[in-house]
Amino acid sequence: RKEVEQDPGPFNVPEGATVAFNCTYSNSASQSFFWYRQDCRKEPKLLMSVYSSGNEDGRFTAQLNRASQYISLLIRDSKLSDSATYLCVAITDSWGKLQFGAGTQVVVTP
Amino acid sequence: GAVVSQHPSWVICKSGTSVKIECRSLDFQATTMFWYRQFPKQSLMLMATSNEGSKATYEQGVEKDKFLINHASLTLSTLTVTSAHPEDSSFYICSARDTSGGLNNEQFFGPGTRLTVL
Repeated sequence: RKEVEQDPGPFNVPEGATVAFNCTYSNSASQSFFWYRQDCRKEPKLLMSVYSSGNEDGRFTAQLNRASQYISLLIRDSKLSDSATYLCVAITDSWGKLQFGAGTQVVVTP
Repeated sequence: GAVVSQHPSWVICKSGTSVKIECRSLDFQATTMFWYRQFPKQSLMLMATSNEGSKATYEQGVEKDKFLINHASLTLSTLTVTSAHPEDSSFYICSARDTSGGLNNEQFFGPGTRLTVL
């Protein structure tokens, strides 16, 4: 079983709409979680950390559910520039090794 | 700040040749660097963890004799793909972390190197 699993999508979203998707992790000892954004043929870029109490950064909201071992990302008022693959990441050890999900593709359409 | 560069950004080579990829932290000291590989539509897979001045730690299934890693300074790590074959064609990405406590231990990614082996 993969450490981090995501729905690959694509999620086709009209511009201005809201989209949300989850990611599950298998290691209950995972301590830190992040959402990264990856554009085609580019390196991943940190979008936001995920805190236990949930956190917002502009139009992006991240939630963590430790009991069910999943994190979520919600994007409000989607922009065309939000089209990308969103990678769910967990840190599971003291070395800080990042465990990546395969990504959820979001396509925002005009 | 916190810029990581990789060189080359893309390379095409013949089967059987060796290819060296450099990863540099430009404005911070990276005591730890990570090497990842990403195949199309798949997740980044960690290949190895590279610590300055010591041997790299390889993930299960990654051949250390095929993927040679050298982290000789606090700003440079190199990955050499030896005797490359077409199945080694992939997107190789490094990341660097300042474990001295600066930059909140965040990992910063290089722009990646796209390797195509003919």
